[in-house]
Amino acid sequence: EAGVVQSPRYKIIEKKQPVAFWCNPISGHNTLYWYRQNLGQGPELLIRYENEEAVDDSQLPKDRFSAERLKGVDSTLKIQPAELGDSAVYLCASSLVPGDLATEAFFGQGTRLTVV
Amino acid sequence: AQSVTQLGSHVSVSEGALVLLRCNYSSSVPPYLFWYVQYPNQGLQLLLKYTTGATLVKGINGFEAEFKKSETSFHLTKPSAHMSDAAEYFCAARVTSGTYKDIFGTGTRLKVLA
Repeated sequence: EAGVVQSPRYKIIEKKQPVAFWCNPISGHNTLYWYRQNLGQGPELLIRYENEEAVDDSQLPKDRFSAERLKGVDSTLKIQPAELGDSAVYLCASSLVPGDLATEAFFGQGTRLTVV
Repeated sequence: AQSVTQLGSHVSVSEGALVLLRCNYSSSVPPYLFWYVQYPNQGLQLLLKYTTGATLVKGINGFEAEFKKSETSFHLTKPSAHMSDAAEYFCAARVTSGTYKDIFGTGTRLKVLA
């Protein structure tokens, strides 16, 4: 079974440029998460989807970040414009059942973003 | 605010020695607890989890963890370290308040010495 697939794996952009990350969750997983992981830190939730609905986007900096999950499958996270402080690893994860507190998340390999 | 504390950002053990990685959480309501492992250039993968029931939880690769409510702890152990255990380990607490959120610790990088 394929895991969570993210692309690109690495991205280097100049500040003020836009960037987008793509995630394909595990087939059948209805919950999708985007996390940001800064160097030396644990992942921090940016947004959580249950099917197509963003049920928790309280930590998403909405002035420059946006996300979408069309048809409740793939998702795209966008930053426009990027700032130096956005350099981090962006992780996508998915889990099987919305609202099942006992189910763990399955993570992709992440996209390492460097803003110069 | 809810938090997860992992004592020791770096831990070194000799091959064959006991591994002990510490995790404490702050929550008035016992959360669901997870340990994830992250190998270089890979995503996080689940080692084990505590949801309900038995407080001693066994996971993959010989790891186990014990939930101690009185100490608000969920320390990860392995009796005998192997070189392949070298990785970064993250403790996470799933806290619920209307909805739920996973709070991760800052991670502990385990180094195994030959």
